[in-house]
Amino acid sequence: DAEITQSPRHKITETGRQVTLACHQTWNHNNMFWYRQDLGHGLRLIHYSYGVQDTNKGEVSDGYSVSRSNTEDLPLTLESAASSQTSVYFCASSESWGGTQYFGPGTRLLVL
Amino acid sequence: GNSVTQMEGPVTLSEEAFLTINCTYTATGYPSLFWYVQYPGEGLQLLLKATKADDKGSNKGFEATYRKETTSFHLEKGSVQVSDSAVYFCALSGILTGGGNKLTFGTGTQLKVEL
Repeated sequence: DAEITQSPRHKITETGRQVTLACHQTWNHNNMFWYRQDLGHGLRLIHYSYGVQDTNKGEVSDGYSVSRSNTEDLPLTLESAASSQTSVYFCASSESWGGTQYFGPGTRLLVL
Repeated sequence: GNSVTQMEGPVTLSEEAFLTINCTYTATGYPSLFWYVQYPGEGLQLLLKATKADDKGSNKGFEATYRKETTSFHLEKGSVQVSDSAVYFCALSGILTGGGNKLTFGTGTQLKVEL
């Protein structure tokens, strides 16, 4: 069955370190998204991609970057981790613009 | 811009009680509306959706009707079970700069169902 996976599921890091969160989907979807989930804010869009070599900033993109070198993967990099980036991160993908987004299980990140 | 407002939780109900979780939205154009559910330790799963006014989405006994006149998409279930305990998110789709769709989420409502 097609799926979307994220790794690691849990990560503890220190402020100032670079961290990369992996997202891999086997749906063959062109559209991929990164969200962060924080209490009282719901989910907020960090970055998104329409296809290979395409990346775009979402509403809370400062301090984050993504790259899309193939259809299956959209890694999220925190250039210099800050305590404000402690959160749960979700990756999602969709086949079409208005289509259902399928979410990964999430990565819980703690920045000390 | 687009926004979604949900009732705050947690909502605590006894098994077999009737459930309503309110959701209202502000949006330009004609967005699609969604309810997602998040079980403990998991990602979000689509529960139901509606793509135009007066559409009713339904799944697993849950229903929601797209009401354009009241800009609402309230989630209902006639008889909840303990297994329905989860966090429920209302969301709408909007247009991203440069094309494509973006989901705007409410803050989520936690539902606890007790025996």
